[in-house]
Amino acid sequence: AQSVTQPDIHITVSEGASLELRCNYSYGATPYLFWYVQSPGQGLQLLLKYFSGDTLVQGIKGFEAEFKRSQSSFNLRKPSVHWSDAAEYFCAVGGMAAGNKLTFGGGTRVLVKP
Amino acid sequence: KAGVTQTPRYLIKTRGQQVTLSCSPISGHRSVSWYQQTPGQGLQFLFEYFSETQRNKGNFPGRFSGRQFSNSRSEMNVSTLELGDSALYLCASSLTTGGRNYGYTFGSGTRLTVV
Repeated sequence: AQSVTQPDIHITVSEGASLELRCNYSYGATPYLFWYVQSPGQGLQLLLKYFSGDTLVQGIKGFEAEFKRSQSSFNLRKPSVHWSDAAEYFCAVGGMAAGNKLTFGGGTRVLVKP
Repeated sequence: KAGVTQTPRYLIKTRGQQVTLSCSPISGHRSVSWYQQTPGQGLQFLFEYFSETQRNKGNFPGRFSGRQFSNSRSEMNVSTLELGDSALYLCASSLTTGGRNYGYTFGSGTRLTVV
């Protein structure tokens, strides 16, 4: 069965500091990996996705993620956070083997201090 | 191009009633998935439709059902509502062709409150 773990429920970071959100997954075949961001009361916005190829993926809003198969990880990074990055972030895994089903982690809520 | 449209945005229903939520996917996307989001359980997969056929179903009771029309629009229905069905219901559309999925785009969701 597929699963996703986001070990950090909350992270507080100062504006301008770097951010790294952790994601570990379990999937029996080649995974598709995603990071989504959600602002309060809103839907999910895709930040970036990994299907295959280059393991360092660039996304929107200055985010990037690195796929490490040996560690079953797909961590999200941003070099310098802005106050507008305060939101909840979800990592998800899916793939054709899962019948187009996404499994999400529990989310990490990011707070940005001025 | 237009994104995924979910209607209504907010809904208040009474226990025991039924409700129908609607989702219009991105033009050309034939796969529509539904997810339930609650504070306690997080984001959980309900079901996925492709070309009017349910291809995959999550672990929800039979009160939760869905369908997809020939224009790829999808509806989900919840009968005999319970307080625990209060949640944000999210729809996602994806372009799936040649056995490959090109990613999921989510709508803004329908916030259902059961009183």
